[in-house]
Amino acid sequence: GNSVTQMEGPVTLSEEAFLTINCTYTATGYPSLFWYVQYPGEGLQLLLKATKADDKGSNKGFEATYRKETTSFHLEKGSVQVSDSAVYFCALLILTGGGNKLTFGTGTQLKVEL
Amino acid sequence: DTAVSQTPKYLVTQMGNDKSIKCEQNLGHDTMYWYKQDSKKFLKIMFSYNNKELIINETVPNRFSPKSPDKAHLNLHINSLELGDSAVYFCASSQRAGGLGETQYFGPGTRLLVL
Repeated sequence: GNSVTQMEGPVTLSEEAFLTINCTYTATGYPSLFWYVQYPGEGLQLLLKATKADDKGSNKGFEATYRKETTSFHLEKGSVQVSDSAVYFCALLILTGGGNKLTFGTGTQLKVEL
Repeated sequence: DTAVSQTPKYLVTQMGNDKSIKCEQNLGHDTMYWYKQDSKKFLKIMFSYNNKELIINETVPNRFSPKSPDKAHLNLHINSLELGDSAVYFCASSQRAGGLGETQYFGPGTRLLVL
């Protein structure tokens, strides 16, 4: 089946630190890959996505590269801010006979401190 | 100008009651979804509708019944609520049911607490 594995949280960093949140996947087909972010008390927002191998998604200083050979889509940011504190979800999208199905990882909570 | 909206935002109710959650999207999308997020933040798809037709049903108890009166609305009715139904329920929509990299847009969530 399809699954996404993310690193356990919470991840606590000081402001301006480098961030990496690991994400690996297992998929029966050729998935599209996403990172969604959930700020406290809010719904999920798309952060970035990539649809084929070696594509790099980027947004708001965050980046992730679709690595088919290692089945990974690690999220990185060079310098985090307090406002980046949130829960980050890696997800894959597979086309099925009935439509798209998003499969999420368990989420990684990020806390950024001054 | 909310793209995907849900009502109510919070719902506190007793076990055994029946309740509904409403979802509306103004993005002109064809496809809508319901997800459940448990207390550990794990998200799982429950249902998907495309142009008012059910296309995904993920082994959800039949106490849960989605209804799509038109493609801009997808409501979720829950009968005989149980303690384990306590969760955050998210509605989402996408332009189409199938498509490479199709982005799903999420509503703000409905926090259901069953006492």
